[in-house]
Amino acid sequence: SQQGEEDPQALSIQEGENATMNCSYKTSINNLQWYRQNSGRGLVHLILIRSNEREKHSGRLRVTLDTSKKSSSLLITASRAADTASYFCATVPILTNAGKSTFGDGTTLTVKP
Amino acid sequence: DVKVTQSSRYLVKRTGEKVFLECVQDMDHENMFWYRQDPGLGLRLIYFSYDVKMKEKGDIPEGYSVSREKKERFSLILESASTNQTSMYLCASSPARLAGITDTQYFGPGTRLTVL
Repeated sequence: SQQGEEDPQALSIQEGENATMNCSYKTSINNLQWYRQNSGRGLVHLILIRSNEREKHSGRLRVTLDTSKKSSSLLITASRAADTASYFCATVPILTNAGKSTFGDGTTLTVKP
Repeated sequence: DVKVTQSSRYLVKRTGEKVFLECVQDMDHENMFWYRQDPGLGLRLIYFSYDVKMKEKGDIPEGYSVSREKKERFSLILESASTNQTSMYLCASSPARLAGITDTQYFGPGTRLTVL
């Protein structure tokens, strides 16, 4: 299966709740990134965490990385209807060239008003 | 802000036609990528280029070719379009990998191609 797999595939929550998405990968990585995609649009970069970092924050986003378990999680706190989108993790394996990333299949988040 | 533009948002072509998808970035990025996105299959890399006139196959290059004559422009070519190439096509660019440089990719809005 593909490097970078998100879990769950779909998540539906109420506005104000927290949303947690997980990503697992197989090989050693340089860094891991999370992207967001609104329906029918391109991806937008959210946050990058390097392999020597364990946690990173950006506004309402919190990303953790556990290299021993080869997994990462994205937490969106106090969700809003505008957070409705698909979220992808992307990994950059060590020994890859040209910054080639491998994307997972994504988690579709629906935030109900 | 980095801007990546794609020539069309929606495109309808007939089986057997030659199709050109154009991508232009304005941030002098060395790396450019073409992906296709299908439901349940995520993003799959078709081709990427790390310099002018340089290209490498991605995971699913069959039925596609690319051209990079200028640094800012990366074209995806479907030599003879088939119905199984109906998909969303996404272009992206990123700066060259140097020490401390991230691998963040900047995406265009996508082209939804339908082959009849």
